[in-house]
Amino acid sequence: GENVEQHPSTLSVQEGDSAVIKCTYSDSASNYFPWYKQELGKRPQLIIDIRSNVGEKKDQRIAVTLNKTAKHFSLHITETQPEDSAVYFCAARSFGNEKLTFGTGTRLTIIP
Amino acid sequence: EAGVAQSPRYKIIEKRQSVAFWCNPISGHATLYWYQQILGQGPKLLIQFQNNGVVDDSQLPKDRFSAERLKGVDSTLKIQPAKLEDSAVYLCASSLVGEGPETQYFGPGTRLLVL
Repeated sequence: GENVEQHPSTLSVQEGDSAVIKCTYSDSASNYFPWYKQELGKRPQLIIDIRSNVGEKKDQRIAVTLNKTAKHFSLHITETQPEDSAVYFCAARSFGNEKLTFGTGTRLTIIP
Repeated sequence: EAGVAQSPRYKIIEKRQSVAFWCNPISGHATLYWYQQILGQGPKLLIQFQNNGVVDDSQLPKDRFSAERLKGVDSTLKIQPAKLEDSAVYLCASSLVGEGPETQYFGPGTRLLVL
């Protein structure tokens, strides 16, 4: 089955700096890669996703890049703000299968 | 648009007791998922329904966990009997059925503590 690894497990950045979280996946058939943000005690919320036919997607301060050859994808947050502090999860889904496999999460702390 | 609803939000039980969780997906979403999220970990899929049929329950501990979605809308997840290691947040999610990958929307979760 699919295996998703996520790094780092914790990340602290100064407000205004950029943050990068990386994930690798094992199943070359995976074709959909969402990122979820989960604030303490709240539900995971989709912040951005990318499909395998695209190499990069951007939404304001958030971008995701995908390298299918290397089987890794990354979340980039620019101009970080205190409200970006949360746990971020990557996930991967295989073609023909609705099942999402999640990474172990990255706790991002923005230092004011 | 109303989101995924879950109840109860919190539950404390003793080990060997039974517990049930309820989920109502977003209207029109044919696919429903139950996840278990242990503290400090990512959500792990327990079971996936499409309408009232089970698509994937490979990670459901079937000796103690059961789930149903009899009318293809809301769903219940039951644990009987509970163990200490079942302490977790149980998340329900739903998605449309389409030709490609569809976004999963999560409910607020039920936080279970087994003592």
